[in-house]
Amino acid sequence: QKEVEQNSGPLSVPEGAIASLNCTYSDRGSQSFFWYRQYSGKSPELIMSIYSNGDKEDGRFTAQLNKASQYVSLLIRDSQPSDSATYLCAVIGGIYNQGGKLIFGQGTELSVKP
Amino acid sequence: SAVISQKPSRDICQRGTSLTIQCQVDSQVTMMFWYRQQPGQSLTLIATANQGSEATYESGFVIDKFPISRPNLTFSTLTVSNMSPEDSSIYLCSVEDFPLAGGFQETQYFGPGTRLLVL
Repeated sequence: QKEVEQNSGPLSVPEGAIASLNCTYSDRGSQSFFWYRQYSGKSPELIMSIYSNGDKEDGRFTAQLNKASQYVSLLIRDSQPSDSATYLCAVIGGIYNQGGKLIFGQGTELSVKP
Repeated sequence: SAVISQKPSRDICQRGTSLTIQCQVDSQVTMMFWYRQQPGQSLTLIATANQGSEATYESGFVIDKFPISRPNLTFSTLTVSNMSPEDSSIYLCSVEDFPLAGGFQETQYFGPGTRLLVL
């Protein structure tokens, strides 16, 4: 079982719709959770971090964390073509992951169609 | 957030040669990390660079192949030694940050990356 898994893409949504990206993790002791956006040819850009159960909203982005289910998601409201990118879920901390290193999922490619 | 720069931004190298990648941060940070992103893949941690001590390498990565220096709290280098085409990747440094003063909630920011092609 991979440590961090994301739903396989590519995910295609029409402009203005809600894009839903999902991620599960295997280390129950994980403490910090992140969503990075990566445009083609660019480095990952941090868009959301979440540390406690529940929802965290920032503009059009909402991150949701459920530690009991070991599940973290990212919702993008009013999706725009500029949101088209690969979204990487990453986790820090846990029983098997010490020292602050990020463990990444394989990424989900999002395409927003005009 | 910290501003991170990397040099070179890209390079094309011949097999058997070595390339040193530099990572500079505009503020002092305790932990710096080096990641590799192979074509079409996600990111994989190579090693953690700690100031004043040897780097900690992940499984599958060795010091002879990827020597790392961390002379101070704002700078680190990664060398890719005796390169082969399989080393063609994007190499990224990242730094740990604690956005909340006195808090323990950490995050990480990435530099722009170094795109390496080995022929």
